[in-house]
Order: sequence, then structure tokens, then C-alpha cells
Amino acid sequence: GQQLNQSPQSMFIQEGEDVSMNCTSSSIFNTWLWYKQDPGEGPVLLIALYKAGELTSNGRLTAQFGITRKDSFLNISASIPSDVGIYFCAGQRKAAGNKLTFGGGTRVLVKP
Amino acid sequence: DTGVSQNPRHKITKRGQNVTFRCDPISEHNRLYWYRQTLGQGPEFLTYFQNEAQLEKSRLLSDRFSAERPKGSFSTLEIQRTEQGDSAMYLCASSATLGLAGGGPAFTEQFFGPGTRLTVL
Repeated sequence: GQQLNQSPQSMFIQEGEDVSMNCTSSSIFNTWLWYKQDPGEGPVLLIALYKAGELTSNGRLTAQFGITRKDSFLNISASIPSDVGIYFCAGQRKAAGNKLTFGGGTRVLVKP
Repeated sequence: DTGVSQNPRHKITKRGQNVTFRCDPISEHNRLYWYRQTLGQGPEFLTYFQNEAQLEKSRLLSDRFSAERPKGSFSTLEIQRTEQGDSAMYLCASSATLGLAGGGPAFTEQFFGPGTRLTVL
């Protein structure tokens, strides 16, 4: 089963709002990653974090690798309609063949 | 298109039938991973190959599941005697070795295919 706890499970956004989601684990990972998945497609990598404490940006996205190596957050600033989708955190360990362990996902929806 | 491809994209089958899925990784990617994703959940690791060698299998991979990568290029995932609980999206991902770094080889990110959605009636 899932080893990563991701929250919130879902959220509604209004265009221009900032969005934040986070992920925690009971285990340490070498690398934390954030993916976005659109319906009927595979996950696409947004940001990869390699060092504890690292803060990385990619356009409107900012993510941080927790100092304990057991947590991470993702922020999306000034959201736009195409930000709708499902966001997954994932942890990776070299000693475990670099296989990915995913969180349960955060579904981002547009406010009606 | 030089990304990861998977066929078929959708498969509907009756319980008890065998099904086989194919994954074509990005050319020259030596690692290939299979994941399963059920509705509303994140993907879960099933197995992975380095070249033609299958290096790890998850406990999720029951005896009814078998995966191969005979020439170190494309891979197949077969499910025998399908059950309704096998209904899921099956995702394939590939990555390449960047070279040796401190602590072992380094790899590129895993690039995912679009998945094969299996429905078992």
C-alpha cells in the first residue's frame, strides 16, 4: 500500500489563487518528486528535489525537500485553469532500485 | 514521437481470460518499470528491469502476473486468469543510466507512458 501521506486529498481553486499541498512519510528518501497526471495519461514530472532542505522553483511551482528527508511541499502560485489535475508526490531511494513510492494524490479542481 | 508507448491503451476482458500488455521504452533507456494504478490512488510499483534482467518484483505481483523484457528493449506484462480486482491502469516508465556517481549509478528521471487501462468484467 501507499507509504506517503499526501494532503489535502482534493481542493478547489479560483484563478489567481495560490495552492499548497504536502506529503509526509515514515521513511527517509534520497529524492522527492512531484508529478502531475491528466485524465487518461501517465504522470509527468514537475519538480525533483535531491538534497534535504532544498527549495526549488519551476515557473509558478515551488517545492521543498524537508530537512528530515521525510516530507515535502509543493506550492503553485497564481493558479490558472490548466493547473487542474491530480498532483502526486513520490519518493525514491537508490538502494531500492530507484523505484517510485507515490502518495495518494491531490485532486485540484476549479471552483464552480 | 520518441516517448514511452504502451499498447493497447484500453482492454476489456472477461474474468478468467489472459491478457498481455506491451511497453516500448524510450530508445536506449536501460531501466524499465511497471506500476499499477487503481482509481483514486497513486501508482504502485510492480516490477523493474535493467536491460533484460528482472531485478525486483513487488508482493503485488502474484503468480498470475509475469513480465518479460527479452532483448532489453520492449517489455510485456501478462496477467493470467484475470480477476475483477485486476482492473486498473497499468503504467510503464523508463529511465537511462547517467553514469557512476558517489553511492552508485545515477539515472535520469522516469518517463511514463500513457498507460493501459484494463477492465475485467
